[in-house]
Amino acid sequence: EPEVTQTPSHQVTQMGQEVILRCVPISNHLYFYWYRQILGQKVEFLVSFYNNEISEKSEIFDDQFSVERPDGSNFTLKIRSTKLEDSAMYFCATYWGSFEQYFGPGTRLTVT
Amino acid sequence: SQQGEEDPQALSIQEGENATMNCSYKTSINNLQWYRQNSGRGLVHLILIRSNEREKHSGRLRVTLDTSKKSSSLLITASRAADTASYFCATKLKTSYDKVIFGPGTSLSVIP
Repeated sequence: EPEVTQTPSHQVTQMGQEVILRCVPISNHLYFYWYRQILGQKVEFLVSFYNNEISEKSEIFDDQFSVERPDGSNFTLKIRSTKLEDSAMYFCATYWGSFEQYFGPGTRLTVT
Repeated sequence: SQQGEEDPQALSIQEGENATMNCSYKTSINNLQWYRQNSGRGLVHLILIRSNEREKHSGRLRVTLDTSKKSSSLLITASRAADTASYFCATKLKTSYDKVIFGPGTSLSVIP
């Protein structure tokens, strides 16, 4: 069964550093999403991306965040200057236009 | 209540018993999904029920949807220790093309 993959599985970074989280979507999917889950809390929507542009974003997704598809296959989330409160699991999700979003296994980001 | 709110927050049962979790939501939805998350791991999609469906089965899982009450239930029959996890309902709103909104989850413990 096709699956969404994410790298790295765990990223440790110092406050103020830039991080890039990567996602490889399922190949025929057109819609891409990032969600995050702070430890012990619920999963929160960050941003959706379609046709090479952001289609919707939450209030969490401020100027420190950006997304892109640099090579037409990978889908990345960049955090320019990480803060302690950015520590969370980040999930990529994709779908092709049916009802179900497929989630990746997540990247655990730890900001120290 | 929030969009997508599960109850109970925590549930502890003996192996072999049935586990029922409920989800309530506020606004009209296109579909509702249930996910499982083992501690510190990614999200596993369990089942999706569309707004025009009332009940759906998948193996030991049974999901119901009552759009008049804006509620859904997830029943796991003949529970196993391996079912121990957090369970989230997630709704796709009619007003939002993109995002899925997760509830805070029910933490299920199945005691062998």
